Formats: sequence, structure tokens, C-alpha cells
Amino acid sequence: EIVLTQSPGTLALSPGERATLSCRASQGVSSNYLAWYQQKPGQASRLLIYGASTRATGIPDRFSGSGSGTDFTLTIGRLEPEDFAVYYCQQYANSPLTFGQGTRLEIK
Amino acid sequence: QVQLVESGGGAVQPGRSLRLSCIASGFTFSSAAMHWVRQAPGKGLEWVAVISYDDGSQKYYGDSVRGRFTISRDNSENSLFLQMNSLRIEDTGVYYCARDDFGRSSVAVPGYFGCWGRGTLVTVSS
Repeated sequence: EIVLTQSPGTLALSPGERATLSCRASQGVSSNYLAWYQQKPGQASRLLIYGASTRATGIPDRFSGSGSGTDFTLTIGRLEPEDFAVYYCQQYANSPLTFGQGTRLEIK
Repeated sequence: QVQLVESGGGAVQPGRSLRLSCIASGFTFSSAAMHWVRQAPGKGLEWVAVISYDDGSQKYYGDSVRGRFTISRDNSENSLFLQMNSLRIEDTGVYYCARDDFGRSSVAVPGYFGCWGRGTLVTVSS
């Protein structure tokens, strides 16, 4: 099983700042089969990025994904008030599918 | 618009059963593999099960639920189900249905989740 470790656990930033979230895998994620999701209380989770760097339909270009192998990054270019949420990475290279433990992005 | 709506959650004692449902709309349900994912209170996400797009010929489960949970679907009703037997306290959480958007012909290694429901809460407690 591929274990994903996200850091930091909590990130406190102000609107307009840049956010950098990390996801590290316990072994290489083949074909960069890594996705990122945004979760807000009471709402359906939203797919942001798949294939490590491809934005999902309708996702603003301030969201970008990068990385390969075992190290992946989600960057939010300029934080909007609606971006404060919990973010999860997920690998789909191997079964079982696994998620990171999440990074909470909160308003400073 | 694309929507997934779960139902069937509730409070149940350990050892009992519960059946969750998910109704899909806004997309061709019969063309999509579907998943259940859960989240324990205050915790992260855990993949539970996947079923192939067709008549459900392929089904795979996470280790923690294999042998106790059964995923199924009814494409004529745009519905996904999760039959949960022998429930344990650690099965408590919000259960989400989600659509697989990767499109592999085999779901032995499933994909990523392009659409999620808002979830239904299952509480297992004595």
C-alpha cells in the first residue's frame, strides 16, 4: 500500500498570499497518478487536479499541481476567501487507493 | 447538473446491518465506475469499494470492509448501493459515493473521483 504524507498539517495564510501544500509518497507513484481534492464542511468534495498537474474542468488557474515520483505539490497562486478548506492528495497508481491525511488551510 | 445524493445512514448497534443508497443525475450513470469512500469523525478519507460501470461484474473492497460490505448498482435506476453487515464501531463516519473519472476498463486499480456526493452519516454505537 502506498502511504501518502501531507505537510503541513495546518497552514495559516492571508487572502492574496501563495499557498504551497506538499504530498509525499512512501514509494514512487507510477505515471504520476496523483489527484488533489478540496473539502469544505457540508459540501461535496471537489476534484482540483489529476495526473499530478492537470486541472479538472472549471478549476481556476490559480490552482496548479506539480511533482513526480514521490514528491508532489499543490500551489494556490493568490488565495481567495473561498479557498480556505481542507485539501487531500490521493494516489491511483496502485490498489488500494489511498489518501493523504489532509492539510487544513485556514485564514491567518 | 451533475449530482450524487446519498441516503440510508443512521444510528445502528454493533453487529447490525445498514444499506446505503446513492442516486445519480446529470450524467450517464451506466458508463461510470462508482465508489464508496468514508470519513471517520475528524479524520481523513478512506476508500471503501468500487464497482465497474456495466452490470457490476467487477467489485473490489478495502481490507477493512472486505467480507462484510457489498457494493452493487442498478443502472436502470441510476442507483448505487452499499450493503453493510456486521457493523463495527470503527465503521462510524460519513459515507460518500463518488464517480470514477479515470475510465480504466478494469477497476482492479481504480482511478480518481471526478464527482462526489455530500455524504450520509453512519453511527455505530451500543
